[in-house]
Amino acid sequence: DTAVSQTPKYLVTQMGNDKSIKCEQNLGHDTMYWYKQDSKKFLKIMFSYNNKELIINETVPNRFSPKSPDKAHLNLHINSLELGDSAVYFCASSHSSSYNSPLHFGNGTRLTVT
Amino acid sequence: AQSVTQPDIHITVSEGASLELRCNYSYGATPYLFWYVQSPGQGLQLLLKYFSGDTLVQGIKGFEAEFKRSQSSFNLRKPSVHWSDAAEYFCAVGNAGNMLTFGGGTRLMVKP
Repeated sequence: DTAVSQTPKYLVTQMGNDKSIKCEQNLGHDTMYWYKQDSKKFLKIMFSYNNKELIINETVPNRFSPKSPDKAHLNLHINSLELGDSAVYFCASSHSSSYNSPLHFGNGTRLTVT
Repeated sequence: AQSVTQPDIHITVSEGASLELRCNYSYGATPYLFWYVQSPGQGLQLLLKYFSGDTLVQGIKGFEAEFKRSQSSFNLRKPSVHWSDAAEYFCAVGNAGNMLTFGGGTRLMVKP
């Protein structure tokens, strides 16, 4: 009955490869997000999706593309992986995109690019 | 631009001692403030939030935080720390679209 689930938990791959991380939420939330946590634990928003529409796209490389087949899923596709993409990626969801809607986070996907 | 600063990267306290984790924010309007906790290998869990009203907010696990507009602070406190409180703590401010700007985190270690 996990609320926000991400797969895989660990992902090790080589530079230049293309990979995807899946995220699903069973909370019935309308908004989903992707955050990146670097090696110094600093968290930064990457994407936010509301009702399958991208509402704000931070300045991330266009090698990163979110895909949302329905409002319960927000997958992250990464093309041409680089060493600097190594990080922990967190998916999150919230009831809405309003300020008073707390985020629920998944347990993260640790991506290592070699 | 909005920002969040957590001045203490690491804090060590003895079990049973009181705890205060500092958070300072920079935000042009009335801030929406949050504290999240991250246990090793886990995602972030919301401890408490401040939107308006009473400046002292209560959260889960016995935590509380006080919003002080004059000091641009939102410090997290707990009167008696338990070993299970050892984790990484993040302060955050809410932005448009409910995106959060996080501080750099404070790692709490608890001595027996």
